[in-house]
Amino acid sequence: SQQGEEDPQALSIQEGENATMNCSYKTSINNLQWYRQNSGRGLVHLILIRSNEREKHSGRLRVTLDTSKKSSSLLITASRAADTASYFCATDAYNFNKFYFGSGTKLNVKP
Amino acid sequence: DVKVTQSSRYLVKRTGEKVFLECVQDMDHENMFWYRQDPGLGLRLIYFSYDVKMKEKGDIPEGYSVSREKKERFSLILESASTNQTSMYLCASTQAGQGSNEQFFGPGTRLTVL
Repeated sequence: SQQGEEDPQALSIQEGENATMNCSYKTSINNLQWYRQNSGRGLVHLILIRSNEREKHSGRLRVTLDTSKKSSSLLITASRAADTASYFCATDAYNFNKFYFGSGTKLNVKP
Repeated sequence: DVKVTQSSRYLVKRTGEKVFLECVQDMDHENMFWYRQDPGLGLRLIYFSYDVKMKEKGDIPEGYSVSREKKERFSLILESASTNQTSMYLCASTQAGQGSNEQFFGPGTRLTVL
């Protein structure tokens, strides 16, 4: 079974608005990562948050992690049309060298 | 600029053909991975390798094999392609060691099996 699950499956917002997507997972993790995928392309790493961290920022991205609820959220502030992509969380529950991806949130930012 | 490259962006093959998907990374990474991506199912791990000539099965290895003869190259082989192997195939690599390092992905190969 999949370790990470993103929610919502799809999100449509206007440029300038904030976008929030969530990730839930099932077992204990060492850390959690977020990736972005433009249509038909490979994934690009956005940010990694370790299990002992609660919040992390990178530019317009803010990630939170709640290990008690086994959930994480990715916030993109002041979204741009260029943020239109699918976003995936990945966890490494069982093995440091293996990653488990959810099915992604498809974000559409309308200009 | 670090890079993971895949041999083809698009590939069309016939049922029963043997298919080779090649992946090359220039970052001297120890670990390499093959995933397939299908709508609604996310990325599923097929095989991974943590060293030359070493491999481990992922979650869906059936119908696939892999080869890692050189550190920079990791090949995915479909011994006898079937229509249910039509998918997007993504290769990735990471450094070894603890801490779940960032994965670097190739651009993907969209394989269609007719």
